[in-house]
Amino acid sequence: KAGVTQTPRYLIKTRGQQVTLSCSPISGHRSVSWYQQTPGQGLQFLFEYFSETQRNKGNFPGRFSGRQFSNSRSEMNVSTLELGDSALYLCASSLPGDSYNEQFFGPGTRLTVL
Amino acid sequence: DQQVKQNSPSLSVQEGRISILNCDYTNSMFDYFLWYKKYPAEGPTFLISISSIKDKNEDGRFTVFLNKSAKHLSLHIVPSQPGDSAVYFCAASEGGSNYKLTFGKGTLLTVNP
Repeated sequence: KAGVTQTPRYLIKTRGQQVTLSCSPISGHRSVSWYQQTPGQGLQFLFEYFSETQRNKGNFPGRFSGRQFSNSRSEMNVSTLELGDSALYLCASSLPGDSYNEQFFGPGTRLTVL
Repeated sequence: DQQVKQNSPSLSVQEGRISILNCDYTNSMFDYFLWYKKYPAEGPTFLISISSIKDKNEDGRFTVFLNKSAKHLSLHIVPSQPGDSAVYFCAASEGGSNYKLTFGKGTLLTVNP
């Protein structure tokens, strides 16, 4: 079974631009979460989508948004990029369920903002 | 406010010996705890988890211990192997349908041959 895939793997943008990152979950997984990893803050939760609805949201500004499609694929968008948005963006997928299920991570998208 | 803390940024052990990685948390709502391993340029890989109703969970060379009263968990790796060298993250969730994971900042484990 294929793992979580993320595209693109690397991206370079300039301040003020916007960017869209894509995530394809493991087949059958319907929950998709996004995380930002930076050297100073570590791994921080951005948001989680299930059945095309945002269920949980972290403490990030409104410039960070996401969506999920009917096939469970997800995209996240960052508008008006700032230098501090340079980070590794990780997507994780999980089976749905009433109790917690382990999340499986993709390789990440490395975003550099110049 | 760091709700999950890994106070040791790094740990070095000899091959064959035990590695013990520690994690403390402050949020009493956390109900489920996980350990992930991460190599450079890769996403975190799930290792082992434990529910708050248990105090120990084993999977091969990996054992996680949970002390709820102390709000402390630890990961034991026995015996340690050079391939275990990686950054280890402790993570916690409030469980149920809350899929938000709160991560510690990680511990770099180096296993020397």
